[in-house]
Amino acid sequence: GAGVSQTPSNKVTEKGKYVELRCDPISGHTALYWYRQSLGQGPEFLIYFQGTGAADDSGLPNDRFFAVRPEGSVSTLKIQRTERGDSAVYLCASSQGSLAGGPLNEQFFGPGTRLTVL
Amino acid sequence: AQSVAQPEDQVNVAEGNPLTVKCTYSVSGNPYLFWYVQYPNRGLQFLLKYITGDNLVKGSYGFEAEFNKSQTSFHLKKPSALVSDSALYFCAVRDMGNSGYSTLTFGKGTMLLVSP
Repeated sequence: GAGVSQTPSNKVTEKGKYVELRCDPISGHTALYWYRQSLGQGPEFLIYFQGTGAADDSGLPNDRFFAVRPEGSVSTLKIQRTERGDSAVYLCASSQGSLAGGPLNEQFFGPGTRLTVL
Repeated sequence: AQSVAQPEDQVNVAEGNPLTVKCTYSVSGNPYLFWYVQYPNRGLQFLLKYITGDNLVKGSYGFEAEFNKSQTSFHLKKPSALVSDSALYFCAVRDMGNSGYSTLTFGKGTMLLVSP
């Protein structure tokens, strides 16, 4: 398909473990965003990539969270020493260009990865 | 700082009746405003946006929204609701006054339930 894809769709892990969540953006989209959606809440911004670089990582809650996008396409969100409070749906979105330079560019979201930390 | 408020956790409407889902925002500059819809086990889908120009914005699936600067509101509307419109709706804002790469701030969502 032509949309944003995320794998896995569900991830169950134990407290203290390390997890990786993957996002495949729409082909040609240079901007990629990660959000976290807790139950009953709207998506909360985590990090934004423009190309390979993290242009804004101000939403990452602490240094256990890290994300990469080495070739400017696929991105991986990494969470170390997971805690029960990390349980949420992690959403990825992509858009053509940046919101700063291209305000007309809406974000297209993937289906999310539901992370459960036991 | 930018923020969004969706004062209603849930809106109930009968099929065929008009619907309104409320959204108010707070920004330091001029706002970019968006509405997204989320169906169960699916990603958020873009409905419409306000950047500039006409205050009444038309979007997907017959939805529209009215930008009201004096009331800092961007309510989502549809003249005649369908059962298939039942979903979770999110309003989002981006402050045009922010420099750099700031992104969207979402409201907590409003569940729309349309009864047959």
